[in-house]
Amino acid sequence: NAGVMQNPRHLVRRRGQEARLRCSPMKGHSHVYWYRQLPEEGLKFMVYLQKENIIDESGMPKERFSAEFPKEGPSILRIQQVVRGDSAAYFCASSPPKENTEAFFGQGTRLTVV
Amino acid sequence: GESVGLHLPTLSVQEGDNSIINCAYSNSASDYFIWYKQESGKGPQFIIDIRSNMDKRQGQRVTVLLNKTVKHLSLQIAATQPGDSAVYFCAVRVSGGYNKLIFGAGTRLAVHP
Repeated sequence: NAGVMQNPRHLVRRRGQEARLRCSPMKGHSHVYWYRQLPEEGLKFMVYLQKENIIDESGMPKERFSAEFPKEGPSILRIQQVVRGDSAAYFCASSPPKENTEAFFGQGTRLTVV
Repeated sequence: GESVGLHLPTLSVQEGDNSIINCAYSNSASDYFIWYKQESGKGPQFIIDIRSNMDKRQGQRVTVLLNKTVKHLSLQIAATQPGDSAVYFCAVRVSGGYNKLIFGAGTRLAVHP
């Protein structure tokens, strides 16, 4: 049973470009979470999705950021018109479709905006 | 809102010693607490958790203590090994039953031979 898979592991974008980060949850997991981590800081919650639904996006910036988890395929975190301040590690976690269960994290995508 | 903080940003220990990493949280309604280990370039790895109806839980070489009176959480690592060197985060789940976690800033544990 493969863990949470994120790709790419490293992504370099110029200011103004779009970044697309992908997350494939563990088998049997239908709940996906995205977190952002700045250097030397803890992870910050961004969004919680179930298949085809955004459940909690209270941590998402109001502009340029969007997330989806389609019926088929991975969850996508999309950042439009990236700026230097978007440089961070973005982690995805997944959990089974049950309350009060542990979430498992992927290895992250390190986004660098130049 | 919820906040989670750590008392020490860096902890250096000798191999074989016991390590204690501390964490404070602010929301007395928090019901689930987790410790994660993060090695360089990797994602957080679950170590141990504890629910608010407990005050102590033990795993393999690790113990988590929860003091709800003073809203304090600690992770004890017995016989610390070089492989334990990493950044350790405490995290608190916001009530709601799903994994919306508030993470502390992290403590770097350095184990010296």
